[in-house]
Amino acid sequence: KQEVTQIPAALSVPEGENLVLNCSFTDSAIYNLQWFRQDPGKGLTSLLLIQSSQREQTSGRLNASLDKSSGRSTLYIAASQPGDSATYLCAVIYNQGGKLIFGQGTELSVKP
Amino acid sequence: NAGVTQTPKFQVLKTGQSMTLQCAQDMNHEYMSWYRQDPGMGLRLIHYSVGAGITDQGEVPNGYNVSRSTTEDFPLRLLSAAPSQTSVYFCASSRTSGGAWAKNIQYFGAGTRLSVL
Repeated sequence: KQEVTQIPAALSVPEGENLVLNCSFTDSAIYNLQWFRQDPGKGLTSLLLIQSSQREQTSGRLNASLDKSSGRSTLYIAASQPGDSATYLCAVIYNQGGKLIFGQGTELSVKP
Repeated sequence: NAGVTQTPKFQVLKTGQSMTLQCAQDMNHEYMSWYRQDPGMGLRLIHYSVGAGITDQGEVPNGYNVSRSTTEDFPLRLLSAAPSQTSVYFCASSRTSGGAWAKNIQYFGAGTRLSVL
């Protein structure tokens, strides 16, 4: 069964700290992987998309890496800010059908 | 651009009632889909469409119908609401690149929060 796991489920850090969120997937034959942010009571906002042929993507203070062989992705957030507080979701696609398989998310709290 | 618009934002139904959740996108995206989000279950795919007139089932399609008569709209119909359908529903869309829509970012609406009593 194709599953996506995110660890930890929750994380609390002081402002300014660099942090890493983890995502693992059981089947390495992915098509792409996306990281999303979800604020309480809101929809999902796409942060980064990594295609299977890529190793990493960067956007501002965010850097996502992909290691297909080990079935892992990490989202690195530099110099965290209270505004980064949200739930971060990892999702993978295994074929051109576009179906996203989501992890349960990591709830991040950045304390001032 | 409004992006992906979902209406209503909140809805309370009684068991057995029917309703339609609306989803519209103004980005000329060919691929659209519906997910439900439940605590402890994450987001799960209900139905999806790769273009006008074409729909297919996802992981949890029972109790839901969809149709795609235009590129812009992808409504989700609950035929006879049940308490198990209490959830937050999200619509998503993405463009295609020569048919390879999985290469592209998926954009989500703000969600519809549904309670079935």
